[in-house]
Amino acid sequence: QVQLVQSGAEVKKPGASLKVSCKASGYTFTNYYIHWVRQAPGQGLEWMGLIYPGGDVRNYAQQLQGRVTMTRDASTNTVNMELSSLTSEDTAVYYCARSVLTAHSHWFDPWGQGTLVTVSP
Amino acid sequence: EIVTTQSPATLSVSPGERATLSCRASQSVSSNLAWYQQKPGQAPRLLIYGASTRATGIPARFSGSGSGTEFTLTISSLQSEDFAVYYCQQYDHWPLTFGGGTKVEIK
Repeated sequence: QVQLVQSGAEVKKPGASLKVSCKASGYTFTNYYIHWVRQAPGQGLEWMGLIYPGGDVRNYAQQLQGRVTMTRDASTNTVNMELSSLTSEDTAVYYCARSVLTAHSHWFDPWGQGTLVTVSP
Repeated sequence: EIVTTQSPATLSVSPGERATLSCRASQSVSSNLAWYQQKPGQAPRLLIYGASTRATGIPARFSGSGSGTEFTLTISSLQSEDFAVYYCQQYDHWPLTFGGGTKVEIK
């Protein structure tokens, strides 16, 4: 079945960088976008950006430009999301999620299980 | 950026009753709107896309309607497993944006 499995929970110091991975299985990796969405404790969902695993296409949310980098490894069907210069505001559960490539079709299904990231001194 | 506003923030409903959730976009998103259900400690689950198309495996008691700026998610007869938080998401414009959520709780 289609599955996205994320790396485990992380605790980071302010100013550090974070890397979360998302391994896809059960479908052709290069036929779909992978998006990242985060959710601060008790809050709603925030779209962070997307990457196309089959080529050099990325689209990052403006508020994260310069701090977020998404990379892909087609040999392992894995997408990575790196976030630098962490602050307490980056404490959240980070999700990866899949969408089709067609324009105006970017709903998310399925989602990874989530990775809790805590930023604390 | 398109702002999507959900109402009410909390909806108290008895099991077996109908629940109606609203999502309003700050400008037209055509029918490019999805709905998700999220239970505590779990990832969101896709319910509806294209404003009204149920995702695979979603029970018929969930239905979506609307276009342009006004959308509705209806749960025709609430089951115990439906008590959760529901989010709408527009994918017509970049950046993709979510509503703030509606919590459906047991009355």
